[in-house]
Amino acid sequence: AQSVTQLDSHVSVSEGTPVLLRCNYSSSYSPSLFWYVQHPNKGLQLLLKYTSAATLVKGINGFEAEFKKSETSFHLTKPSAHMSDAAEYFCVVTDPFGNEKLTFGTGTRLTIIP
Amino acid sequence: SQTIHQWPATLVQPVGSPLSLECTVEGTSNPNLYWYRQAAGRGLQLLFYSVGIGQISSEVPQNLSASRPQDRQFILSSKKLLLSDSGFYLCACNPVGEYQETQYFGPGTRLLVL
Repeated sequence: AQSVTQLDSHVSVSEGTPVLLRCNYSSSYSPSLFWYVQHPNKGLQLLLKYTSAATLVKGINGFEAEFKKSETSFHLTKPSAHMSDAAEYFCVVTDPFGNEKLTFGTGTRLTIIP
Repeated sequence: SQTIHQWPATLVQPVGSPLSLECTVEGTSNPNLYWYRQAAGRGLQLLFYSVGIGQISSEVPQNLSASRPQDRQFILSSKKLLLSDSGFYLCACNPVGEYQETQYFGPGTRLLVL
């Protein structure tokens, strides 16, 4: 069985400063990992995904995440925050040999300070 | 690329009334389909998933049911709503040809049971 922990329920950063959203996972197998973003009252949009290829994954809107097996982490970063980045972010894990079901973290709400 | 439609966008229903939420998918055939619920302040909980017409798997025991009468139609229902059924309901699909765990989400239906 797999699980994912998002360490911060809420993160605030100033516009133009770096963003770090933390995620740790637990999985019996080599996992597939995703980050999704949800803007207010909207559905979820896929930001990026790790599927056992390159450990540094680049996504949309300037976000990237690094898979670190030794730390069981998949933290999401962006060099410079923009006001439009304010949203809820979900780290997701799945077992690539399982039944294609996703396990979601509880989410991190990102606030951007002007 | 696929497009996922959900309706209604918002719904206010009294306790004990029936429910029918609809999800339709365009741009792909024979997708895997999923219903999630997002309660306030929580992550997403998988309710049902379907790998084909008439094939429904339930993840958690609850007051809800799902049906898939057509390849690209997925319906979430209840005979009698409970207060605890309030939440944001998201439909997702895993299109044919896409990496198997990648899911794309619809805009969601916000349900308030009073």
